[in-house]
Amino acid sequence: QVQLVQSGAEVKKPGASVKVSCKASGYTFTGYYMHWVRQAPGQGLEWMGWINPNSGGTNYAQKFQGRVTMTRDTSISTAYMELSRLRSDDTAVYYCARDAALVYCSSTSCGEANAFDIWGQGTMVTVSS
Amino acid sequence: DIQLTQSPSFLSASVGDRVTITCRASQGISSYLAWYQQKPGKAPKLLIYAASTLQSGVPSRFSGSGSGTEFTLTISSLQPEDFATYYCQQLNSYLHSTFGPGTKVDIK
Repeated sequence: QVQLVQSGAEVKKPGASVKVSCKASGYTFTGYYMHWVRQAPGQGLEWMGWINPNSGGTNYAQKFQGRVTMTRDTSISTAYMELSRLRSDDTAVYYCARDAALVYCSSTSCGEANAFDIWGQGTMVTVSS
Repeated sequence: DIQLTQSPSFLSASVGDRVTITCRASQGISSYLAWYQQKPGKAPKLLIYAASTLQSGVPSRFSGSGSGTEFTLTISSLQPEDFATYYCQQLNSYLHSTFGPGTKVDIK
C-alpha cells in the first residue's frame, strides 16, 4: 500500500543538526512533490517547504531559509530533511507529506487541485541541553 | 504571504450536532483550500480538497464550501470519532503553503 515511513525519534543539543528520513513505498517516488510540516508540542501545523524528487528542486519557507536542506535519494525512494543550528523552539514532530494532484469536478468542468494525501507517521525531534 | 484564520478556535458539541468551522484567507485563493482532521498523537488526515471535494473514503457527513477568502467545513451529524482538531490549508501559491491555526472539537 502507499505509505511514507519516517526515521525514529532524535534528541539533539542546541546548535547541532538533525536529519530526518522519509521512505516512500507503493507509488512512483519521483512522480509527486514531497513536503515537510512540523508541529511543536500542543501547537498547530507549520509548513516548512518542499522537494521535487524528480529534479531535486526545492522551495523553503522563508522562516527556515539558510537552516533547512531537503534532499532525496531516488535509488531508495527516500526524502530527507536536515535542520541545522537547532534551538529549543525547534522541538517538534516533523512530518513528511505527499503532494497529490487530485481531480475535482464542478458543474461545468473538471480540474486538478493539490493536497497532502499521504503523511508519514511523524518524527519527534527534541532539542535540549 | 497568505494568512489563514479559523473560527472558532475551540468548540464543544454533542454527538448528533451539526458543526460548522470557518476558515478565512487574507487574500483570494480561488478554491485552493484543503481541510484536515488530526487526532492526538496521529498525523493529519485529508478530508476535503479544492474547497468542496470529499477525499476518497471520507464519510459523506463531512462537506466543504466556499471560494475566494471564506470557506466552511461542516459536519452534518457529529459522531464520536469526529472529536479531533481540524485545520484548513491554502495551496494557492505553489511557492508557499499555509495552515490555519486549527479548531479543536471537543465533547460537550
